[in-house]
Amino acid sequence: KNEVEQSPQNLTAQEGEFITINCSYSVGISALHWLQQHPGGGIVSLFMLSSGKKKHGRLIATINIQEKHSSLHITASHPRDSAVYICAVRRFGNEKLTFGTGTRLTIIP
Amino acid sequence: DVKVTQSSRYLVKRTGEKVFLECVQDMDHENMFWYRQDPGLGLRLIYFSYDVKMKEKGDIPEGYSVSREKKERFSLILESASTNQTSMYLCASRGWEQRNQPQHFGDGTRLSIL
Repeated sequence: KNEVEQSPQNLTAQEGEFITINCSYSVGISALHWLQQHPGGGIVSLFMLSSGKKKHGRLIATINIQEKHSSLHITASHPRDSAVYICAVRRFGNEKLTFGTGTRLTIIP
Repeated sequence: DVKVTQSSRYLVKRTGEKVFLECVQDMDHENMFWYRQDPGLGLRLIYFSYDVKMKEKGDIPEGYSVSREKKERFSLILESASTNQTSMYLCASRGWEQRNQPQHFGDGTRLSIL
């Protein structure tokens, strides 16, 4: 079993819909990252979380440390949100990140 | 803004060739990373370096080596390329004081081994 599991693997939605992507992990962590990868390949960081909730524009990320679970929400989704969203965790005392396999999001106009 | 530059976006090489993938960052970051990304497997760490001339194996180092002669440059070397090394390769960097901050990624190199 992977240490970081994401769901769903693929998600297609209509423009304007509220989107939720989930990430569960099985190890103790010091931080969780949400990343976005557009079709060109480059990866950008959206959020880094160690507790609670963060918001940036239409994106909201939450984490529940006790339940080892994080969600990424997108409000009023738009076709430009179409990308692969990747969850990654940093374990205590470790420089390395462990990545989920990603969720491919497609927003249809 | 941090810039991580990978030398090629697309590369096609033949089996048995020695292949060099170059990565340069402009923010004086101590830590640099090489990943490969395959469908259904996510990003997997090949090697990382926490300073000049320092390197550590990641999760899948077999068939690869690295070189960090200067702080800004981290090279990934495929000693004798094989078809199972066809993949997307991503370089990243991060400052030592920013251990809980995001890594900064390059745009990736899509490598095909024929």
